[in-house]
Amino acid sequence: EVQLVESGGGLVQPGGSLRLSCAASGFTFSSYWMHWVRQAPGKGLVWVSRINSDGSSTSYADSVKGRFTISRDNAKNTLYLQMNSLRAEDTAVYYCARDLGSLWGQGTLVTVSS
Amino acid sequence: DVVMTQSPLSLPVTLGQPASISCRSSQSLVYSDGNTYLNWFQQRPGQSPRRLIYKVSNRDSGVPDRFSGSGSGTDFTLKISRVEAEDVGVYYCMQGTHWPWTFGQGTKVEIK
Repeated sequence: EVQLVESGGGLVQPGGSLRLSCAASGFTFSSYWMHWVRQAPGKGLVWVSRINSDGSSTSYADSVKGRFTISRDNAKNTLYLQMNSLRAEDTAVYYCARDLGSLWGQGTLVTVSS
Repeated sequence: DVVMTQSPLSLPVTLGQPASISCRSSQSLVYSDGNTYLNWFQQRPGQSPRRLIYKVSNRDSGVPDRFSGSGSGTDFTLKISRVEAEDVGVYYCMQGTHWPWTFGQGTKVEIK
């Protein structure tokens, strides 16, 4: 089955860190650009970061630049998002998505609160 | 960043009737390769987004043909020819031409 499965979300204090993972299956992961998109509770969708197929090129939204790092392990068919210096405004469901949104995971909730 | 403006933000529709959502971008979405990377997504209550339309007018696999997309440049439209109960949710346009990619605010479709 073609799918993306996120994990790693949870409750973290402001200033803390969290690493999200996205396991891909059913397609050739190494052929696709991959993305992280987030959705704050009751709000719309916001693109966070992207990475090219071999991991050599990355981009970030200004709101997370310098704090978040996207990476991938094509041997493990897994996408990552390392999130440092977390803020309350980073609270959201984080989705991984394939290329131009052709496939999405179920999302993982990150809550930043003391 | 490119601003995507959708209207209306709320769309009550009678079952079996058509629906139309407008999406306007603050700058042209024509990319240097000649393509226009304007996509439409559906997000049903409690679910992840699902892409319906890519590059303005191409339906994704499995998307009913009652959904259609049109437009060019900065002005785009998603149409549902006959709304069904399963179409309830929030619809987002999204541009993938200029980084950072940006979404519209979302249009909530509900049944009258």
